[in-house]
Amino acid sequence: AQSVTQLDSHVSVSEGTPVLLRCNYSSSYSPSLFWYVQHPNKGLQLLLKYTSAATLVKGINGFEAEFKKSETSFHLTKPSAHMSDAAEYFCVVSDGGANNLFFGTGTRLTVIP
Amino acid sequence: EAGVVQSPRYKIIEKKQPVAFWCNPISGHNTLYWYLQNLGQGPELLIRYENEEAVDDSQLPKDRFSAERLKGVDSTLKIQPAELGDSAVYLCASSRGGRVAAETQYFGPGTRLLVL
Repeated sequence: AQSVTQLDSHVSVSEGTPVLLRCNYSSSYSPSLFWYVQHPNKGLQLLLKYTSAATLVKGINGFEAEFKKSETSFHLTKPSAHMSDAAEYFCVVSDGGANNLFFGTGTRLTVIP
Repeated sequence: EAGVVQSPRYKIIEKKQPVAFWCNPISGHNTLYWYLQNLGQGPELLIRYENEEAVDDSQLPKDRFSAERLKGVDSTLKIQPAELGDSAVYLCASSRGGRVAAETQYFGPGTRLLVL
């Protein structure tokens, strides 16, 4: 079975400081992993995805994530937070061929001016 | 290109009343998904369509929920009768289809349902 655990329900950072959102996964085989962002009253938007190619994945808006098999982790990072990054972030694992997605419970990112 | 369109955006009904949500996927996308997102939680899959066929409806509460995608394009999700616990956001997503691994799903803005 596939699942993800987002270790922090809420992260607060100051504008211009680094962002780290933590995610651990559980999968019975080599997983496909995603990070989605959800701004208020807007649809979920894909930030990046890992599909067994390069372990360091670069996404939109300066975000990146590193797949670490030994740690079963897929943490999301950004060097410098911007006010517009304030949103809900979801770590997601796919079940493979069926492409069904399993979402974590989300991490709310607050950016302090 | 236009994104996934959902309507209505908000709906308030009394319990035991019926309600329906509509979704129009991105043009050319063969796979359509309905998700349920409870407050403070991540979305959970209700049903997945490949063209007109519902290929995974194992999480759809069939006693009160139904869905259709008659011509393999837009889709309707219905609840009858609604219960207080159905208050949530109902999300629609689409993807190109064809069983491509890790295919990107594109989400609509959702319909926020409040059952009183």
